[in-house]
Amino acid sequence: GAGVSQSPSNKVTEKGKDVELRCDPISGHTALYWYRQSLGQGLEFLIYFQGNSAPDKSGLPSDRFSAERTGGSVSTLTIQRTQQEDSAVYLCASTPNLVLGSYEQYFGPGTRLTVT
Amino acid sequence: GQNIDQPTEMTATEGAIVQINCTYQTSGFNGLFWYQQHAGEAPTFLSYNVLDGLEEKGRFSSFLSRSKGYSYLLLKELQMKDSASYLCAVRPPSFQKLVFGTGTRLLVSP
Repeated sequence: GAGVSQSPSNKVTEKGKDVELRCDPISGHTALYWYRQSLGQGLEFLIYFQGNSAPDKSGLPSDRFSAERTGGSVSTLTIQRTQQEDSAVYLCASTPNLVLGSYEQYFGPGTRLTVT
Repeated sequence: GQNIDQPTEMTATEGAIVQINCTYQTSGFNGLFWYQQHAGEAPTFLSYNVLDGLEEKGRFSSFLSRSKGYSYLLLKELQMKDSASYLCAVRPPSFQKLVFGTGTRLLVSP
């Protein structure tokens, strides 16, 4: 079946503008994660959604970052008043129901954000 | 806190064997993952270890020692297509986010 998809694949924006990044997880996957990967850096956890539970927002770097997940499926990561340090690849991943012991995270291709 | 260390870069020759090490100090442990990431692409799952020992999967094997906070990924019969970054990630007990190392960039030469 289809994998995790993300859009747009590339986004160039001016400093101070808001951006929205979209993630479509694999159908039926209950857990969804957002990560950020800066040049030469590892993946940095941003936020995690699991079913109807409150999201784990502990990785969001500032209050300019927010995310929502509608209907337990599609997720949108919003960055307000973008800064140049926000430039990175934003990766989304999903997993099946963790309670059943599925551990592998399936990653999308990412959105490359460039703030000029 | 969480700390995961991997070498930044390694080089090897086609047909050879390479071992990529990963050491971790984390507050709790519930498994270690290895992912492969080609330039400009998404990470793809290679292996998962939660118990001590060696897990073999074709040309790739992964080893874990929980008492030493140590893992390695062993790649045999290297091929040019194995040139990629290899990411070590630890899962904390909460079953939630993975904590990733910075990755090891492997360059395979002819």
